Amino acid sequence: GAGVSQSPSNKVTEKGKDVELRCDPISGHTALYWYRQRLGQGLEFLIYFQGNSAPDKSGLPSDRFSAERTGESVSTLTIQRTQQEDSAVYLCASSSGGTKGLTEAFFGQGTRLTVV
Amino acid sequence: AQSVTQLGSHVSVSEGALVLLRCNYSSSVPPYLFWYVQYPNQGLQLLLKYTTGATLVKGINGFEAEFKKSETSFHLTKPSAHMSDAAEYFCAVRGLTGGGNKLTFGTGTQLKVEL
Repeated sequence: GAGVSQSPSNKVTEKGKDVELRCDPISGHTALYWYRQRLGQGLEFLIYFQGNSAPDKSGLPSDRFSAERTGESVSTLTIQRTQQEDSAVYLCASSSGGTKGLTEAFFGQGTRLTVV
Repeated sequence: AQSVTQLGSHVSVSEGALVLLRCNYSSSVPPYLFWYVQYPNQGLQLLLKYTTGATLVKGINGFEAEFKKSETSFHLTKPSAHMSDAAEYFCAVRGLTGGGNKLTFGTGTQLKVEL
C-alpha cells in the first residue's frame, strides 16, 4: 500500500481480555517497529523487526506482550490479559532498513487501545 | 546504547518569534538524526533528517536543524513561528551498529504558539 496501515484504529476491551493489533508496513520495507504512546507522553519503544534477523524485544514491558511478523509483511502485536495501564496509542512504523542510505521510519495512524 | 534528551516538555512562543527546540543525543557510533512532528490527532511525520554531509539540514515548513558533533546536539529551529506550528515535536536517533538500527525517540516537546 501507499503507507503504513494499522487496524483497528480504535479498540475498547475489558480488563483481562486479549487483544491483537495489526500493522501492514509499506511494501518492500524490511524494518518494522512498534511503539507505545501513553496520553501526554513520548514514544516508548516496544519491538523492532529487521528482515530475517532475530527481533529486538528489549522494549516489551512484560511477558503479556508479544509480536510476530510474517516475513517482511504484516505484523501483529498481541497483549494478553490486558490491564488498564495498557491503555495507549500503539504506533507501528516501517523503513527500508539496511545500513546504507537514508532509512527514515514512516508511521501509521496508530491503534488507540482503551482497557476498561 | 543510544538515547535522546529533549530539554523542555513544553515550549511556548509568540507568533513570529524564533522557535528553538533542543535535542541532545548519545550514540556510540555516528548517528542518523531525525525530527518528527505530530499534529493534534494525527500520526507522526518526518520534518527533517541528518545522515551525512552538510550539518545544517532544512526540512518542511521552514524548519531546520544543525548537527553539532562536539555538542552532541541536533536542535530544531524556525525563524518565525506560525500558529500552524503548534504540535508535538520528537527528536530521534538511529545508530548504525551491527543490529543497531533501532530508532530511539525523545520524550517530545509540545510547542504552543500564542498570538
